Amino acid sequence: GAGVSQTPSNKVTEKGKYVELRCDPISGHTALYWYRQSLGQGPEFLIYFQGTGAADDSGLPNDRFFAVRPEGSVSTLKIQRTERGDSAVYLCASSFDRDQPQHFGDGTRLSIL
Amino acid sequence: AQTVTQSQPEMSVQEAETVTLSCTYDTSESDYYLFWYKQPPSRQMILVIRQEAYKQQNATENRFSVNFQKAAKSFSLKISDSQLGDAAMYFCAYITDDKIIFGKGTRLHILP
Repeated sequence: GAGVSQTPSNKVTEKGKYVELRCDPISGHTALYWYRQSLGQGPEFLIYFQGTGAADDSGLPNDRFFAVRPEGSVSTLKIQRTERGDSAVYLCASSFDRDQPQHFGDGTRLSIL
Repeated sequence: AQTVTQSQPEMSVQEAETVTLSCTYDTSESDYYLFWYKQPPSRQMILVIRQEAYKQQNATENRFSVNFQKAAKSFSLKISDSQLGDAAMYFCAYITDDKIIFGKGTRLHILP
């Protein structure tokens, strides 16, 4: 069966630009998570969706970051006015529920020049 | 504030030997879940093992087992009969209803 799919796998853009990162979770998984992983670090929690709603967005670093999941399946992480410090691998994961194992995508490597 | 500490940035083990990766956490919660994830160079995180805090019995998955010491807030991972494919970054994770925290990871090298 299909796993969690993230597109694009790599994204290079200039400082100040807007980017969208997409996540297709495993079918039937109601919980969806976004993480940011910098080199040599563990995943840093950004936001958690239960269905269509953002149940916990406490990890979003500032108001340049926003995520949506309008139909309770695909999610898009949006970053406005990108900065060089936003460069990282952005991981998406999904699960049946918050206490269940998360299945991760391969991530999107975002590079801000 | 809750934290997760993996005190060993890197470890090496001879193929077929046993290795233990440490993880400690700080929390005032009594109900939480602990996970070990593996991240090979291919980048995709893979679940290794899961432990519910209310269960005293240590979780086991084939060659992987944990030593869960709730009072000590310790959750170490033991890998038996290490194989070359076990080489990866290993992350410990702590999850409650309102927190998801990953440790910084331990890079495990398997020596042939």
